[in-house]
Amino acid sequence: GAVVSQHPSRVICKSGTSVKIECRSLDFQATTMFWYRQFPKQSLMLMATSNEGSKATYEQGVEKDKFLINHASLTLSTLTVTSAHPEDSSFYICSATSWGDYGYTFGSGTRLTVV
Amino acid sequence: GQNIDQPTEMTATEGAIVQINCTYQTSGFNGLFWYQQHAGEAPTFLSYNVLDGLEEKGRFSSFLSRSKGYSYLLLKELQMKDSASYLCAVSPKSYNTDKLIFGTGTRLQVFP
Repeated sequence: GAVVSQHPSRVICKSGTSVKIECRSLDFQATTMFWYRQFPKQSLMLMATSNEGSKATYEQGVEKDKFLINHASLTLSTLTVTSAHPEDSSFYICSATSWGDYGYTFGSGTRLTVV
Repeated sequence: GQNIDQPTEMTATEGAIVQINCTYQTSGFNGLFWYQQHAGEAPTFLSYNVLDGLEEKGRFSSFLSRSKGYSYLLLKELQMKDSASYLCAVSPKSYNTDKLIFGTGTRLQVFP
């Protein structure tokens, strides 16, 4: 079945630094990638949608200059959290879809802790 | 707007049956998904309903009523490993080409 590899699985960074999270579709072409954030005991909140080769569409309230999304190829999308602060500490998950494929394939998630 | 509601928490006993409800109000509808998520892990796909009726898959079944904006996930013969969060998600636009809107999630605890 379809697999999305997400890494790192865990990262701890200092406040003010930037962190990059990668999601790779291993056996299919991910035409669309969704990035979610999940706080403890809460559901997934969509941050942005990115289509290969075009700019990401951000949900209301999500700062596009802080959460940089790149989807330059059909197999790789990245989320960079810039100038991270403790309140950015969360679980970030990507999800990919492909034309003609069934369902949404999730990455394994990244636990970000900003200290 | 988009609104998807689920109970926050539920408890049940091993071997029992539990039904997790989901109601939705979205700008469009092109299918409803149920996912299981264990703490600290990514969601795993359980079911997809786009037509009214019941879809059965082993111990899990999912029901949809589009006219009522309602779905439920039925878990039979509960096992301890079924303790997890269950997420209801709606695809509001054309299938596979738009975002999934997730409900609040239901944390299920299964006791011996």
